[in-house]
Amino acid sequence: EAQVTQNPRYLITVTGKKLTVTCSQNMNHEYMSWYRQDPGLGLRQIYYSMNVEVTDKGDVPEGYKVSRKEKRNFPLILESPSPNQTSLYFCASRGLAGSETQYFGPGTRLLVL
Amino acid sequence: RKEVEQDPGPFNVPEGATVAFNCTYSNSASQSFFWYRQDCRKEPKLLMSVYSSGNEDGRFTAQLNRASQYISLLIRDSKLSDSATYLCVVKGLYSSASKIIFGSGTRLSIRP
Repeated sequence: EAQVTQNPRYLITVTGKKLTVTCSQNMNHEYMSWYRQDPGLGLRQIYYSMNVEVTDKGDVPEGYKVSRKEKRNFPLILESPSPNQTSLYFCASRGLAGSETQYFGPGTRLLVL
Repeated sequence: RKEVEQDPGPFNVPEGATVAFNCTYSNSASQSFFWYRQDCRKEPKLLMSVYSSGNEDGRFTAQLNRASQYISLLIRDSKLSDSATYLCVVKGLYSSASKIIFGSGTRLSIRP
């Protein structure tokens, strides 16, 4: 089954404690991205990656890091989380060969205390 | 001004009614348009693409008005299962890598 998986699905942490949210897709997609979704602000792109070892900033990259060492994985790293990073996070992937459909992971709900 | 704007709603309509909502975009160079559906606390899923000539998928009709820079979604004979948030999505130039921008969504609630 074609899918994007994220882990963990729910996470409560404290300010400053480094965390990683994993994202993996099994569709051999080149393009992967991370979004955060906040009430009234919609989905905002954090980082995206066009392929292995190619990453770039989205609209709200501050406080986040990513890496793309393998095509299927695109982890999101919060080196020192702060309460304003409390949000719902989605990973997404799509192919570049004309496919417009983005497939989203199930979301990770993060609470930073 | 936001690049993609939607009326947040909620639109509260009875089952069987027809409901329509619009989405405006600011970049006249935008080339691709979509409607996504998002159920509460779930991931967005593609509902339909929007083509220049308008297109229909069952009870759903999408239209594009380039002159006025808006797209619309019409739902006929609405079902309880249509209750969700509908996200308008706009993509830039003819490039697979160009930016995808999401509206903040219109919430629709269908009542029995």
